[in-house]
Amino acid sequence: DAGVTQSPTHLIKTRGQHVTLRCSPISGHKSVSWYQQVLGQGPQFIFQYYEKEERGRGNFPDRFSARQFPNYSSELNVNALLLGDSALYLCASSAQETQYFGPGTRLLVL
Amino acid sequence: GENVEQHPSTLSVQEGDSAVIKCTYSDSASNYFPWYKQELGKRPQLIIDIRSNVGEKKDQRIAVTLNKTAKHFSLHITETQPEDSAVYFCAAPRGNTGNQFYFGTGTSLTVIP
Repeated sequence: DAGVTQSPTHLIKTRGQHVTLRCSPISGHKSVSWYQQVLGQGPQFIFQYYEKEERGRGNFPDRFSARQFPNYSSELNVNALLLGDSALYLCASSAQETQYFGPGTRLLVL
Repeated sequence: GENVEQHPSTLSVQEGDSAVIKCTYSDSASNYFPWYKQELGKRPQLIIDIRSNVGEKKDQRIAVTLNKTAKHFSLHITETQPEDSAVYFCAAPRGNTGNQFYFGTGTSLTVIP
């Protein structure tokens, strides 16, 4: 029984580049949410998708975008990377309100 | 998160003692409150949750209490063990949204053997 999976596990980019992070939810879960976790802080909500539609967006700039595919997997895209985008990016899937997190993608922007 | 306050930020207890972590929230429409445990370098893992129609929920050594009038909820860990050492996060939903949460700033719990 596979849990939430994310790829890649680690990523190093330079300022100005863009990045695509991927998430596969638990089988049967139709909702995927993305969070940014800066070191020493709690996760910050970025996006939620349900049935391929955006259901909510947190206080993040337009450089951040996401989408959900027919198989409910999701991608998070970040353009024009800044040093401050360095963080752990977590994906969470849910069937009801309970969220289960993936292992995250650790992004370092140099 | 701006709508969830969590205290204390650090907590050290002797093995076998109890630990209590408290959170307050601001949105009265919130109706589901999960707690997550995050070990160093790992994902947050759900340890217990509570819905607004109950005041307390227990699962072995872990319990959560909810006071909707005061808008606060607490995590109680009894008979602490060294493996309980981790960062604990509370969370509350953004209004009536289904799967969008504000998280607290975390409590780093250290259980001293």
